[in-house]
Amino acid sequence: AQSVTQPDIHITVSEGASLELRCNYSYGATPYLFWYVQSPGQGLQLLLKYFSGDTLVQGIKGFEAEFKRSQSSFNLRKPSVHWSDAAEYFCAVFSGGYNKLIFGAGTRLAVHP
Amino acid sequence: ETGVTQTPRHLVMGMTNKKSLKCEQHLGHNAMYWYKQSAKKPLELMFVYSLEERVENNSVPSRFSPECPNSSHLFLHLHTLQPEDSALYLCASSPNAGVNTEAFFGQGTRLTVV
Repeated sequence: AQSVTQPDIHITVSEGASLELRCNYSYGATPYLFWYVQSPGQGLQLLLKYFSGDTLVQGIKGFEAEFKRSQSSFNLRKPSVHWSDAAEYFCAVFSGGYNKLIFGAGTRLAVHP
Repeated sequence: ETGVTQTPRHLVMGMTNKKSLKCEQHLGHNAMYWYKQSAKKPLELMFVYSLEERVENNSVPSRFSPECPNSSHLFLHLHTLQPEDSALYLCASSPNAGVNTEAFFGQGTRLTVV
């Protein structure tokens, strides 16, 4: 069955530091992968997506992610974190059928000044 | 602002009450979804509607009853809920219910069952 694992439940970084959030997926075919961000009390906002082509994808707010098929990973990165990036981040894979997104459990990011 | 609006934002209801959650999208999308987000659990897809037809019912208890009167509106009717149904209920829409489309989410309804 398709699944998404986000190994880190909580991550704390200092403002200005680099960030990498891990995501591993299990999917038999070519995956369609997404990263969403959820601020407190808000819905989910799409940061970026990978469907095909260049394995390094750029998203909004200065985020990028790299698809590595050999490692079944789609890690999210940002070179310099801002305090406003504090939120929960969800990795998701499209599982086939009617746009059925399977989400990971999420990683909550805290940013210290 | 994603173009998907959910009301109410917060709802407290007793186990014998009947209430409805509303979702409206102004994006011209053909597919709409209900997700449940519980504490410490991944988001769970509940229902999928494509062109006002329910195409997915992800083993959801019958105390949750969706309704899609047109492609812009989606409801979730609630009755005789249990405390474990307390969660954030998220509505989403996408251009169509297929691959290569992203989902746009509303801000959610925080439901508390007492």
